[in-house]
Amino acid sequence: GAVVSQHPSWVICKSGTSVKIECRSLDFQATTMFWYRQFPKQSLMLMATSNEGSKATYEQGVEKDKFLINHASLTLSTLTVTSAHPEDSSFYICSAVAGGRTGELFFGEGSRLTVL
Amino acid sequence: DAKTTQPPSMDCAEGRAANLPCNHSTISGNEYVYWYRQIHSQGPQYIIHGLKNNETNEMASLIITEDRKSSTLILPHATLRDTAVYYCIVRVTGGATNKLIFGTGTLLAVQP
Repeated sequence: GAVVSQHPSWVICKSGTSVKIECRSLDFQATTMFWYRQFPKQSLMLMATSNEGSKATYEQGVEKDKFLINHASLTLSTLTVTSAHPEDSSFYICSAVAGGRTGELFFGEGSRLTVL
Repeated sequence: DAKTTQPPSMDCAEGRAANLPCNHSTISGNEYVYWYRQIHSQGPQYIIHGLKNNETNEMASLIITEDRKSSTLILPHATLRDTAVYYCIVRVTGGATNKLIFGTGTLLAVQP
């Protein structure tokens, strides 16, 4: 199947710092990528839709100034958690649509953020 | 996207078939049924999807009722590594509105 890679897979940071998570489609071009977050024992919650070359579309209740999304190329989207606080600690997962594969959505391995 | 309803958990004996049900009674005519699974602390893994015909691949079979209001994912010979949360999702494929909205899923525990 198509491969989506995230980096870093885990990160620990101090409160007030910013953290950038990268999502790459390794063997296909993705005009659209999605960012999710997942708290322990809960389902995935869609945060935003990232479109190459344009602004991201955020789901209701997600602060766009807090979670900055950039999709500068067809293979890379980044999520920056700005001024992170302990409540931002979560599992962040990206996904990308593999065009030409009847709309299958492939997911990265996830990035676990812990804010101290 | 239409909502789906799944049982919160199921058990299955190793080597037996696991049948995971999903209700999607408000599905629209252009919405597909997708199944993903998530093993602990990993990203979701695509399993299978279909529109109205039954589908089979190397991982599983998908049985969709004629009225499309429900479906069943079948793992023919469950192994311990199939223990995961299984998500049934309906969505329009292609175009800009192809985001996946996850429900609560079914935790399948395969017992030795």
